[in-house]
Amino acid sequence: EVQLVQSGAEVKKPGESLKISCKGSGYSFTSYWIGWVRQMPGKGLEWMGIIYPGDSDSRYSPSFQGQVTISADKSISTAYLQWSSLKASDTAMYYCARGGTGSYLAPSDYWGQGTLVTVSS
Amino acid sequence: ETVMTQSPATLSVSPGERATLSCRTSQSVSSNLAWYQQKPGQAPRLLIYGASTRATGIPARFSGSGSGTEFTLTISSLQSEDFAVYYCQQYNNWPPGTFGQGTKLEIK
Repeated sequence: EVQLVQSGAEVKKPGESLKISCKGSGYSFTSYWIGWVRQMPGKGLEWMGIIYPGDSDSRYSPSFQGQVTISADKSISTAYLQWSSLKASDTAMYYCARGGTGSYLAPSDYWGQGTLVTVSS
Repeated sequence: ETVMTQSPATLSVSPGERATLSCRTSQSVSSNLAWYQQKPGQAPRLLIYGASTRATGIPARFSGSGSGTEFTLTISSLQSEDFAVYYCQQYNNWPPGTFGQGTKLEIK
């Protein structure tokens, strides 16, 4: 069974750093792209970026380029999303989702349960 | 960037009736369009990809159509569990993965 299990909810202060995780199982983790999607409170879905764990090739939406870093550790089948300096506007639910096997131009067929990040002073 | 426009923002339909949701893209995405369902407190679920192919385990009452810039998701006979928010997503143009703003399907 394909599963993506994300790390737990986080409460941080502005300016702090954070790294959340997404562990894949039940499939060849290195063969599928993993994307990250933001959902701000009461709002829609925003595609942030994507990584291919096989070689750590990553791509970012222009809206998120330079704001976050996406990485992966294939030895433990885990992808990461990190911030170096959080802002209150980063408060949101973050989902990881499995993409395609070859191209990153593919839909997301499996999703993690989401990680709620709250940034407040 | 490809702009995705869904209509209507909210759709009120009675159980057992048909629901038709629309998605328009600002430039052609060929058939590289997906539909997702999201219920409160849950992650999105893939319903349709390739504009018209149902994902694994999705009931036949869900169908998708369209190509280019105009797409439709139809739910033939609404069940109580179908009331949710629906998003379209294109994965043809850079940046990929852009979503529409969503259509909330509510009980009439």
